[in-house]
Amino acid sequence: GESVGLHLPTLSVQEGDNSIINCAYSNSASDYFIWYKQESGKGPQFIIDIRSNMDKRQGQRVTVLLNKTVKHLSLQIAATQPGDSAVYFCAEKRGGSNYKLTFGKGTLLTVNP
Amino acid sequence: SAVISQKPSRDICQRGTSLTIQCQVDSQVTMMFWYRQQPGQSLTLIATANQGSEATYESGFVIDKFPISRPNLTFSTLTVSNLSPEDSSIYLCSVEASPGVYLNEQYFGPGTRLTVT
Repeated sequence: GESVGLHLPTLSVQEGDNSIINCAYSNSASDYFIWYKQESGKGPQFIIDIRSNMDKRQGQRVTVLLNKTVKHLSLQIAATQPGDSAVYFCAEKRGGSNYKLTFGKGTLLTVNP
Repeated sequence: SAVISQKPSRDICQRGTSLTIQCQVDSQVTMMFWYRQQPGQSLTLIATANQGSEATYESGFVIDKFPISRPNLTFSTLTVSNLSPEDSSIYLCSVEASPGVYLNEQYFGPGTRLTVT
């Protein structure tokens, strides 16, 4: 069935290293993708989004890459900091009047000092 | 971005009872949603709260179990009825801040952690 999922459930990195979190999606009709960060005890926080007509989008220390050929999405975090430790979710939104977000399973990022 | 508050932040309820969760937004929004996040899991959409009409429920969620109100463009409530331990989850309110354009950013409240004993 159609789904949004993550390759790695956990990722552990050293402070200062770059982190890459991956996400696969199966519905080629999806045209909008979002990355969320969820810290313990909090709601998901919007990080960055990308439309399907783009391959790359950069924010502050974060970059999202979209490969529509293989239906793959990634979030790159530069110079990872302890405050980046959280669960990261990718989500997709499909076109038309349907506003629903479909979330992936989540990746737990742990940053070691 | 919209600022969203939820009440209560957490509660412990006995099975068979109900809990009503409130969601307040600091600005008028067109779209409001309710999600459930079971322990260690991702988010699942329960329903879209429609202002002035009945909520639109996703597959597997019914109005009798999850009645929703949306009296205006800044407020909504979700009731979880006839509680069982399986309802223990985090319940999250979410909004789209700007009307009309479907690719808008979607923001989440802090969540309500419900434990059913």
